[in-house]
Amino acid sequence: QVHLVQSGAEVKKPGASVRVSCKASGNTLATYYVHWVRQAPGQGLEWMGTINPSGTYTRSAQRFQGRVTMTRDTSTSTVYMDINSLTSEDTAVYYCARERVEYSSSFIFDAWGQGTLVTVSS
Amino acid sequence: QSVLTQPPSASGTPGQRVSISCSGSSSNIGSNTVNWYQQLPGTAPKLLMYGNDQRPSGVPDRFSGSKSGTSASLAISGLQSEDEADYYCAAWDDSQHNYVFGIGTKVTVL
Repeated sequence: QVHLVQSGAEVKKPGASVRVSCKASGNTLATYYVHWVRQAPGQGLEWMGTINPSGTYTRSAQRFQGRVTMTRDTSTSTVYMDINSLTSEDTAVYYCARERVEYSSSFIFDAWGQGTLVTVSS
Repeated sequence: QSVLTQPPSASGTPGQRVSISCSGSSSNIGSNTVNWYQQLPGTAPKLLMYGNDQRPSGVPDRFSGSKSGTSASLAISGLQSEDEADYYCAAWDDSQHNYVFGIGTKVTVL
């Protein structure tokens, strides 16, 4: 069973940027699309975007375009998401999630990270 | 507010059958498959159902999914206390070019 491990909680001031990382045990991310989903306190899930296995293609939800950057380091099989111009509305738990099938972007997330709480507060 | 409409809550006693609806439109459920996720309190979501009615390995067969037109549903038969969780439907939306989740349904075992 694959385990996705994310970076630790962050506290940021409005206007700052944050980077969240996601790494899998073994090399079990290298051939999969990875997605990012966030959950504001007491709220539902919101898809943010995805990155392909080679890191050469990303797709973001329209509301995050221009503010969210997804990258991956294929040498360490680590995926990153950077969010800039943070506001209090970005306070949420951010999850990485892996596709169910290799090289597939079918939006079926069968493995999730533990979540990273990002708090934006002055 | 989501384009996929779910009831905010559902409940049942142990052993009962509970059904959760997910209503969408022709641009999402009507033209794409539906996935369901279970989120136990304080944990990350877990894939419960994909492709409308396919159970991943390890998901008990008392969970079942279906889709008809622009609506989908998840049924839990033989409700157990460990089923107390939030359940989210999700589908790609062709109009928004976005993967959308329902608002979630909190299932309570009485």
